[in-house]
Order: sequence, then C-alpha cells, then structure tokens
Amino acid sequence: DVKVTQSSRYLVKRTGEKVFLECVQDMDHENMFWYRQDPGLGLRLIYFSYDVKMKEKGDIPEGYSVSREKKERFSLILESASTNQTSMYLCASSIAGVSDQPQHFGDGTRLSIL
Amino acid sequence: AQTVTQSQPEMSVQEAETVTLSCTYDTSESDYYLFWYKQPPSRQMILVIRQEAYKQQNATENRFSVNFQKAAKSFSLKISDSQLGDAAMYFCAYRKEGATNKLIFGTGTLLAVQP
Repeated sequence: DVKVTQSSRYLVKRTGEKVFLECVQDMDHENMFWYRQDPGLGLRLIYFSYDVKMKEKGDIPEGYSVSREKKERFSLILESASTNQTSMYLCASSIAGVSDQPQHFGDGTRLSIL
Repeated sequence: AQTVTQSQPEMSVQEAETVTLSCTYDTSESDYYLFWYKQPPSRQMILVIRQEAYKQQNATENRFSVNFQKAAKSFSLKISDSQLGDAAMYFCAYRKEGATNKLIFGTGTLLAVQP
C-alpha cells in the first residue's frame, strides 16, 4: 500500500512565523500535491510537483512556496503565516502519465495560525 | 476551465437504505476521468470508485456504484445497504486526460448514516 506521511496532525503557529509542512511518500511517485481544505470550498490545489526540483502553481499559490529536493519529500512553506491560512492541509502523491490512477492522500495537517 | 459541482452539502440515510449523492461537472474535453473520494472523520481520504469517460458501462465497487451520464455531464454515486462506516465527507473529482494528473474537486457532501 502507498503510504503518504505528513509530519504533523495538528500545528499551532503565530502570525508572521515561517511554517514548514512536510510530506513523504514511499512509492516512488513522480507527482506530489499540496491542497488546502476549507468547509464549503472543497479541496483547492496550492502547488504540485511532477519531478525533483520541478513545481507548478495551483489555483491558490499566494502566500505559499514549496520545495522538492528529493523525490519522496515535498514541503509546503508559509513564508509569513497569517490568520487566513488557518486550514486543513492535505498532501497527495500519484504516478505520472497514467491518468486513471488515483492520488493517494496523507492524513492531513490541521494548522492554526494565532 | 473545468468545474465540479456538488449541490448537496449534507445528506442523511438510514442504515441499510440506499442513498445517491449528486455531482455535475463542466468540461469541453472528450477524454477524462471521474472519481469519488471518501474522507471519514479525522481519517485519511481514500478512493471509492473511478470512471473513465470513454467507457459507457457504469463503474461498480461492491455496494458503491455510479450513474455516469456523459451527455448530461452528471456523475452520481449510489451507496446501497448503507452502513455506519459509510458516514463521511464525499468528494467528486475530475481529471483531464494527460500527464500532470491534476484533480479538480467539488465542495463535498457530508453523509450521515442513522442507525
């Protein structure tokens, strides 16, 4: 089974802090994704990466950056956390080039910015 | 741009009964994939069922089946013999044929199962 592991289930940070959310997958997947989940809005794509050091902006990249130095790890960075970034963050991974294959999700990180 | 709409924010079903969750989407593509994902409370999101647009036959996975109407751009999920463990948030998602595998999600339907 694919395992996608997010480093924290719950995280509380202060406004203005630099926040790192880590995600690791163990299936050698090329694609990795970061989503934000908010009530009534579903999942919105922040960034995705299709290879090491390769990234593309999703629908809501403002205020976020990402890093993918190794294939198995994809980090989401909040450069200067703000209260409107309080949310559930989901990481996912998938095989590249096979469209019917699903994305596999981590457990999520519930981030609170105070 | 493609969009996915789930018009039922919340649904409720009695245990052992059948429930149908609605999903519509908008696309100009002819080849694409549709998915239903389940997110139980405080647990990991998992795939329930998938449908390839080029297949006319509706997908089925045990108690879960879909009603795929390509012309109407409708992709509803039917859960038969509902169980308490089916209580979850259900998301419909669309993916265009291609290499990036990006998904577009609906806003979700929260399903409650009454004993």
